[in-house]
Order: sequence, then C-alpha cells, then structure tokens
Amino acid sequence: SAVISQKPSRDICQRGTSLTIQCQVDSQVTMMFWYRQQPGQSLTLIATANQGSEATYESGFVIDKFPISRPNLTFSTLTVSNMSPEDSSIYLCSVSEGGVGYTFGSGTRLTVV
Amino acid sequence: AQSVSQHNHHVILSEAASLELGCNYSYGGTVNLFWYVQYPGQHLQLLLKYFSGDPLVKGIKGFEAEFIKSKFSFNLRKPSVQWSDTAEYFCGTVFGGATNKLIFGTGTLLAVQP
Repeated sequence: SAVISQKPSRDICQRGTSLTIQCQVDSQVTMMFWYRQQPGQSLTLIATANQGSEATYESGFVIDKFPISRPNLTFSTLTVSNMSPEDSSIYLCSVSEGGVGYTFGSGTRLTVV
Repeated sequence: AQSVSQHNHHVILSEAASLELGCNYSYGGTVNLFWYVQYPGQHLQLLLKYFSGDPLVKGIKGFEAEFIKSKFSFNLRKPSVQWSDTAEYFCGTVFGGATNKLIFGTGTLLAVQP
C-alpha cells in the first residue's frame, strides 16, 4: 500500500496565524482526503482534494478557513487559516487505493494557543 | 443522510473475554465497510474490510467482522482479547457512488484489563 508522509508532525501556533500541512505520497493516487480528529473524538472528513480543480468540502468546512492545494497526483497541502484554540486537533491526510482500502498518514498534531 | 453509528463508546473487558463492537450504517445501497484501529499514540491501521463476497471477513490480529445486509450492520468480533488490544476502534463506510468518501463512526474506546 501507499506510504504517506505528513509534515509537520506537530506544531504549536499562535491564534490568528495560519499553518500549512503537507502530504506526500510515494505513488500516484487519484483520491486524496483530509480529515480532522478533535481531542477525544472520531475522524471528520474535511474535504476531498481533487487534482487540477478545487477541493470538495464537507458540510461545516469552507475554503476560506481550510484552503487545499493538489498540484499533482502525489502531493497535497491543507492550510488552517486564522487559527483559534478550537482548531486544535490532529489533521490527517488519507488516500484511496481501490481494493486495498484507505491509507492514512501519521497526522499533524496542532495546538493553538 | 448517510451515517455510521457505533453504539459502544467505551468498553472495558478482562483479558480472554470475547469482544463484539457494534457498527450500523444508514444507507440502502452498495457500501464498502471498514474497521480501523488506533493504538495509543499511533496512527490508524486497517483491521479488515468488506467490499463484496463472503460476508464474514477475517482481518489481522484475530479480528473478524460480519456484514449483515438486512440489519445494516458490520460488527467487529474477537473471541479472546488481549491487553495489547487496548485501543480505539473506528468503523468506516464508503457509501455507493462516485465520491469514494470514507465516513467514520464515533469510535469505541476499548480498555482490556490484565
């Protein structure tokens, strides 16, 4: 299965700033996704990162707050903009590999102070 | 709306006890079903998956799950748990269609006491 590298693995940020999270996959994949896991909660899908077009966002998530780039089939970024303490979460990148299933990165643990 | 529910939020078992974690989904069409595990401090790992065929699916570490279409369920089972099974377990579903979005249930935190 694909191997996903996420950077940074963790960060502590000041409120009002932005953080860009990178997701690099070791093979070309069509479907890439971004999830959020708030403390003590399950994974919530933020958006589907589409190569060559705008991301598709889930209800409750907007492009201005979580802009996503997908310049090619192996890379994507998620930016958390104008952060507040409520954005403190683990952010995960995931890829779909057809019959294999879904593989997840190790996540980015974000703390906003 | 399409959703996934896990009814057991926190389960405590003694070693060697049998485990069954419930997972139900709300959708009458084709689904792909998954169970993932997240050990403390680690990232998500796939335990098992169901796409089609035999509804009884065997996964890693002695886990299995049964897809019962009439009950919209995909319960996870293990006949005898170990302390090392202490983790959070997530049921996930991809609902039929072209979106391929994997939607998770709320998760079940399993604590196995030695």
